[in-house]
Amino acid sequence: DGGITQSPKYLFRKEGQNVTLSCEQNLNHDAMYWYRQDPGQGLRLIYYSQIVNDFQKGDIAEGYSVSREKKESFPLTVTSAQKNPTAFYLCASSINERGSPLHFGNGTRLTVT
Amino acid sequence: DQQVKQNSPSLSVQEGRISILNCDYTNSMFDYFLWYKKYPAEGPTFLISISSIKDKNEDGRFTVFLNKSAKHLSLHIVPSQPGDSAVYFCAASAKNNDMRFGAGTRLTVKP
Repeated sequence: DGGITQSPKYLFRKEGQNVTLSCEQNLNHDAMYWYRQDPGQGLRLIYYSQIVNDFQKGDIAEGYSVSREKKESFPLTVTSAQKNPTAFYLCASSINERGSPLHFGNGTRLTVT
Repeated sequence: DQQVKQNSPSLSVQEGRISILNCDYTNSMFDYFLWYKKYPAEGPTFLISISSIKDKNEDGRFTVFLNKSAKHLSLHIVPSQPGDSAVYFCAASAKNNDMRFGAGTRLTVKP
C-alpha cells in the first residue's frame, strides 16, 4: 500500500526544545511539502522540496528547518525560534508536474507548553 | 497576505440540493486550481482540479467552474449527500507547483 506516513500522531514538548517531525513516502514522488494548519487559517506552506538535496522556503519558514537527503524522507524540525509552534502539521508529496495533486499524510499534532 | 481566499467559513444545505463553495485568488500566475476535502484529524484528499485554459471540469457529482477574469472559482456538488459533510479547501499553484490553500469551508449536508 503506497502512501505517506507521519509519525507520531501526537507530540508534546516543552518550550525551548527543538522537535523533529517525521514524514516518509513510498509513492516514488519527487516533490514533498510541509504545511501547518491553524484554526481559521487553512493550510500554510512551510517548506517544499522538488528534488533530493534541494528545498525552498514557503510562506512561514521562520523557526523551521528541513532536510531532504533521501527521496522518501522529508523531516521537519521545529526549532525553539518558532514563536507559536503548537499546531497541526501536514506533510504531502506529489509527482513533479504542474498541477499534479498533493497526497497528504494524516498529520502530527504538536503541542508545546 | 493570503493569495487564496474562501470567504465563507461554513455552509449548510439539505440532502439532495446543490452545494456551491466559492474561492477567490489574487495571484494571476496561478495556472492550476484544485479542491480538496478534509475530515477531522486526517490529511486532505484531492477531489477535482482545473487548469487555467479551461472554464469547467466535471467529475460525477462534482463540477468546478473557473472565471479567470474575476479570479474566482467555485465547486458545485449535486446532489449533495450527508457523506459530503467535511471541510473543503480550495488550492492554487503556479510554475513550481508550490500549492497555496484557502482557509476552508465547512460543509454540512443535512438529511
